[in-house]
Amino acid sequence: AQSVTQPDIHITVSEGASLELRCNYSYGATPYLFWYVQSPGQGLQLLLKYFSGDTLVQGIKGFEAEFKRSQSSFNLRKPSVHWSDAAEYFCAVMGFQKLVFGTGTRLLVSP
Amino acid sequence: GAVVSQHPSWVICKSGTSVKIECRSLDFQATTMFWYRQFPKQSLMLMATSNEGSKATYEQGVEKDKFLINHASLTLSTLTVTSAHPEDSSFYICSAEPETANNQPQHFGDGTRLSIL
Repeated sequence: AQSVTQPDIHITVSEGASLELRCNYSYGATPYLFWYVQSPGQGLQLLLKYFSGDTLVQGIKGFEAEFKRSQSSFNLRKPSVHWSDAAEYFCAVMGFQKLVFGTGTRLLVSP
Repeated sequence: GAVVSQHPSWVICKSGTSVKIECRSLDFQATTMFWYRQFPKQSLMLMATSNEGSKATYEQGVEKDKFLINHASLTLSTLTVTSAHPEDSSFYICSAEPETANNQPQHFGDGTRLSIL
């Protein structure tokens, strides 16, 4: 069965600094991968997705992610973090028509 | 963009009552909708897959008699928590998958916070 690991429970980044959130997946076939963001008490918003093709995918709000098959990773990056980026971030893999989520990484942005 | 509306956003009720949560796709048709449960500071756990016009598919360990799912139209799925108890208190989120293509991203509602007293 597919699974997703987000090794960092929470990360604190200074405003304006770069960000990388880690995601590793386990899936036997070519994965469909997603990053979602969740603000407190709200649903999930899709940041970006990878289905095939270019391994570097661009998303909304200045986020990007790189699919690395050799490392089974799909890390999320942003060159300059804004205070409004503080939220919970979930990596997910689609397998057998089901989304499986990682445990999430809470991003804190310091002034 | 695709919008999924979930209602109510917050409900408090007494133990033993039943609570219905609605999930609507506002600008697209969804043959498949999903219901998730999220405990505080934890990830989303898929409860069931709701298929329009047929019975829902429940994940292992989810009581189908406790969590009744109805998907009567291409834009509406409902989750009814029957005889709710405090341990059913949680954040419930639905999502909908557009019927136009396979493996399109699911669009999520804003969730329903359920508190059972």
